[in-house]
Amino acid sequence: GENVEQHPSTLSVQEGDSAVIKCTYSDSASNYFPWYKQELGKRPQLIIDIRSNVGEKKDQRIAVTLNKTAKHFSLHITETQPEDSAVYFCAARSGGSNYKLTFGKGTLLTVNP
Amino acid sequence: DTGVSQDPRHKITKRGQNVTFRCDPISEHNRLYWYRQTLGQGPEFLTYFQNEAQLEKSRLLSDRFSAERPKGSFSTLEIQRTEQGDSAMYLCASNLKRGATGELFFGEGSRLTVL
Repeated sequence: GENVEQHPSTLSVQEGDSAVIKCTYSDSASNYFPWYKQELGKRPQLIIDIRSNVGEKKDQRIAVTLNKTAKHFSLHITETQPEDSAVYFCAARSGGSNYKLTFGKGTLLTVNP
Repeated sequence: DTGVSQDPRHKITKRGQNVTFRCDPISEHNRLYWYRQTLGQGPEFLTYFQNEAQLEKSRLLSDRFSAERPKGSFSTLEIQRTEQGDSAMYLCASNLKRGATGELFFGEGSRLTVL
C-alpha cells in the first residue's frame, strides 16, 4: 500500500517568515495530494490540494509543488501569521483506489509573533 | 451546523466494555469513512462505505470492530471488549463520489479513553 513520509515533525518560524513542509510517497500511481490543517482540538480541514497532472498550485499565501519523478510534494506558506500555527498533514491517494487517503504523521507549525 | 457530526465527543470506558460511536455525514454525501488518530500521528484509514455498502476494511480493524451504515445515511462504529490500545480519536469523514474534488469533510471526532 501507499506510504507517506512527512518532514519536519515540528517547525518554528517567526511571523512573516516562510514555512516549508515536505512529503514523499511510495506509490508512483498516486494521483491526488491534499494538505489538511488541524488546529488544537478541531477537525482536519483541507487547505489546498494538487492533482498529478499539475506541477504547482497556489492560493494566496499557500502553494503546493509536486515532483512526480522524485515522488515528493511540498507545502509552502509565505508571510506566516500566528493563526497559521497548527498541525499540517499531507496525504496521498493511491492510484489503485479512488477514495482512500494515506496521511503523513503531521508537522506542528508554530509561528512566533 | 450542516457539517459532519459525531457523537459522543468523548467516551471514557473500562477495559472490556463495549462502546459505540455515531457519525452523521453531510446529507448529500454518499461516501463515508472512519479514520483513527492517535497522538502525534496522522489519521489512519479504518473503513469506507459507499452508500450502505462497506467496500473496504483496513487490516487495523480487528474482529472486535464493526461498522455499519444502514440505509446509507448515518454510520456507527462499535468496539467490543475494548483494550487500552483502542484509546484514540475516531474521526468520521464524508464526501461525494462525483465531487469536484477529493476533499474529505471531517467531523470533530470521538475521543475514546480506555482505562
